[in-house]
Amino acid sequence: NAGVTQTPKFQVLKTGQSMTLQCAQDMNHEYMSWYRQDPGMGLRLIHYSVGAGITDQGEVPNGYNVSRSTTEDFPLRLLSAAPSQTSVYFCASKTRPDNSPLHFGNGTRLTVT
Amino acid sequence: AQSVTQPDIHITVSEGASLELRCNYSYGATPYLFWYVQSPGQGLQLLLKYFSGDTLVQGIKGFEAEFKRSQSSFNLRKPSVHWSDAAEYFCAVGGGNNNDMRFGAGTRLTVKP
Repeated sequence: NAGVTQTPKFQVLKTGQSMTLQCAQDMNHEYMSWYRQDPGMGLRLIHYSVGAGITDQGEVPNGYNVSRSTTEDFPLRLLSAAPSQTSVYFCASKTRPDNSPLHFGNGTRLTVT
Repeated sequence: AQSVTQPDIHITVSEGASLELRCNYSYGATPYLFWYVQSPGQGLQLLLKYFSGDTLVQGIKGFEAEFKRSQSSFNLRKPSVHWSDAAEYFCAVGGGNNNDMRFGAGTRLTVKP
């Protein structure tokens, strides 16, 4: 059981470049989300999805796009990377009921120069 | 929206000593509360959760936490710390349908031999 798989593990971008962080889960979880982790700030929710075709904004959505065409995949797109987006990104998923905990991937470390 | 405060950025304890990590939350109703642990370079692993019932909850690795509504707290405890407990610990709160889970800034635990 692979759980939540994130690719790539590391990425370096130049300002203005675009890229997609991939996230896939094999647990048939309806809910998926993206967080960014910055020192001293914990994890902050970027976007989340409660099912295929449904997405919503979290606490810090600006500069990021998401889509959910399948239950398994939830990619995060940076259309024009900025140095402020240097961070560690975590994808997480959970099942119903509402009190279920999140299952996390191992993260993607992104540096924007 | 709900929020979490972890007052201690860094705590150092001796191996074998007891541990208490503090967590205060803000939410108008009964929240869903979680403690996660993160080892270096890894994703987050669930230690325990609370959503109703007995206010003292047991988790993995010998951890427990107590929900105190009057103090809006959910402190994590362990009676005897092991060197392998050195990690970063995050408290999280979910409200409503728990689609928007908020994390504290984290507490880094160092264990002295």
